[in-house]
Amino acid sequence: AQTVTQSQPEMSVQEAETVTLSCTYDTSESNYYLFWYKQPPSRQMILVIRQEAYKQQNATENRFSVNFQKAAKSFSLKISDSQLGDTAMYFCAFMKPEVGDDMRFGAGTRLTVKP
Amino acid sequence: DVKVTQSSRYLVKRTGEKVFLECVQDMDHENMFWYRQDPGLGLRLIYFSYDVKMKEKGDIPEGYSVSREKKERFSLILESASTNQTSMYLCASSLRSGVWYFGPGTRLTVL
Repeated sequence: AQTVTQSQPEMSVQEAETVTLSCTYDTSESNYYLFWYKQPPSRQMILVIRQEAYKQQNATENRFSVNFQKAAKSFSLKISDSQLGDTAMYFCAFMKPEVGDDMRFGAGTRLTVKP
Repeated sequence: DVKVTQSSRYLVKRTGEKVFLECVQDMDHENMFWYRQDPGLGLRLIYFSYDVKMKEKGDIPEGYSVSREKKERFSLILESASTNQTSMYLCASSLRSGVWYFGPGTRLTVL
């Protein structure tokens, strides 16, 4: 079974600075998807970024980018120019693209952006 | 706009009660999922369904059952609620290999 590990339970960053959240995963699959989700205090899960394993280019969405190292099974999230609204729980997740397959989540990292 | 709704944001029940958590999606998604979220454990899969009347056990199905009589509705049932089922419950839906959408969560407290 696939496992996802987030080794940083909590992190903090000053507003406007850059922070990197770590994620590693374990799988024997070659084709899969990786995700970062944000869960603010409202509890609504919001997709931050998605990466297909067959794509070598790292995904980017505005201030959010990933460092995808397939051989090392590492998928870190970099948040640039941190904003107060980035304060949230961040979950790394793994999914195989098969019928009915589910998503596996890490334990989460609680990020606090300080003014 | 895709919407996944859950019947309650907060719920308080007593030990031994039968509890129903409802999830409804309005985008004709085949797949629906129930997770529970606990601090330090992330989201753990309870059950999922990839079609009407189909259900599959996830990692922690004990003490739970599900029902999917209609495509848009996926119900999670706690047959006899216990205090260790106090948690946040999240529902999600998706098309096959598509984007996932999550409900707002139900925070259940069992006294």
